[in-house]
Amino acid sequence: DGGITQSPKYLFRKEGQNVTLSCEQNLNHDAMYWYRQDPGQGLRLIYYSQIVNDFQKGDIAEGYSVSREKKESFPLTVTSAQKNPTAFYLCASSILPTGKNSPLHFGNGTRLTVT
Amino acid sequence: GQQVMQIPQYQHVQEGEDFTTYCNSSTTLSNIQWYKQRPGGHPVFLIQLVKSGEVKKQKRLTFQFGEAKKNSSLHITATQTTDVGTYFCAGPGAGGTSYGKLTFGQGTILTVHP
Repeated sequence: DGGITQSPKYLFRKEGQNVTLSCEQNLNHDAMYWYRQDPGQGLRLIYYSQIVNDFQKGDIAEGYSVSREKKESFPLTVTSAQKNPTAFYLCASSILPTGKNSPLHFGNGTRLTVT
Repeated sequence: GQQVMQIPQYQHVQEGEDFTTYCNSSTTLSNIQWYKQRPGGHPVFLIQLVKSGEVKKQKRLTFQFGEAKKNSSLHITATQTTDVGTYFCAGPGAGGTSYGKLTFGQGTILTVHP
């Protein structure tokens, strides 16, 4: 079955440590996205990538970094510069950029807790 | 930048009652998408509306896109406990540096009491 795999499901880190969240898709989708979800705030876009080796900042990119070396993979690094990293992180993909009317397919998410 | 506002934030209903959530954008949208997120789960795409004034139905769910393409609504008739979850609307950026971005509303959390 095709889909998006995020790992791990739960992640615990100490403050000051960088952590990388994995996202892999086998849907052959061009575009990939990272969203952050906090209670009562919906989903906020961190980074997105429309093609390999290219990505753009979303609305809350500060303290995060990404890479898109392969079409299937779009890992997100939460750096120590991110002031409030504890959140639910969702990776998504789409056939075409959403400006061309394609829906998002989401992974199951990674719940990150930083203490 | 583009803002997508969604109301109400919470809605508690008795099973069998109707439910409506409203979505308003600060800019005209080329299309609007609706997603449902079950408790503990991830958002799942429900539908996309593209045309001005468009109305689409999925069983007990009715989706509308406003004539000005700046607002939308989702109406559920005779809610069931399986309808529990958070409903999000989302609209794409208009273009340029916003192209490829999808802006989500805050979501409406629906609770259904049996």
